[in-house]
Amino acid sequence: RKEVEQDPGPFNVPEGATVAFNCTYSNSASQSFFWYRQDCRKEPKLLMSVYSSGNEDGRFTAQLNRASQYISLLIRDSKLSDSATYLCAVTDRTGGFKTIFGAGTRLFVKA
Amino acid sequence: NAGVTQTPKFQVLKTGQSMTLQCAQDMNHEYMSWYRQDPGMGLRLIHYSVGAGITDQGEVPNGYNVSRSTTEDFPLRLLSAAPSQTSVYFCASSYSVAGPSEGFFGPGTRLTVL
Repeated sequence: RKEVEQDPGPFNVPEGATVAFNCTYSNSASQSFFWYRQDCRKEPKLLMSVYSSGNEDGRFTAQLNRASQYISLLIRDSKLSDSATYLCAVTDRTGGFKTIFGAGTRLFVKA
Repeated sequence: NAGVTQTPKFQVLKTGQSMTLQCAQDMNHEYMSWYRQDPGMGLRLIHYSVGAGITDQGEVPNGYNVSRSTTEDFPLRLLSAAPSQTSVYFCASSYSVAGPSEGFFGPGTRLTVL
């Protein structure tokens, strides 16, 4: 089983739709959680950190469920410009500082 | 600030050749790391460093060496290139290990090993 797993998609949604991605992790000692966005043939860019209390940034909401060991990303009112691959990342800071990424979920937003 | 820079952008090697991928950051970041990204595999951590003089292995360290003699630079050395090392390589940095471990990524190096 991979340490961090995501549904690869692709998710094809119309503009204005709400879309949600989940990401599960296997290491219960994981301490920090993040969502990244990666455009085609570009580097990943940090979208937001994920906290136990949840956090929101405009149309984006991230949640952490430690009991079930998953994080989620909700995108409301999707825009064409949201089309990208979304990567979740999990950091374990015990015995090192390793950040493990999921393989990414591809999102296509259509007009 | 230039952020995180990587050179070269593209490279073709023959099996058995060695080379160094360069990574530099001008943000005085403590934490730097190297990833490779392959289709369907996501980003896999090769090596990382929590400060000058300190490095450690990630998930896939075999065939690669790193050193961190300065805060700014974190080069990745391929000792004897193999076709399995064909990939896109990303360097990343973060101000501190207390924050997002990979706050900023470089633009990547696309490596092909023939």
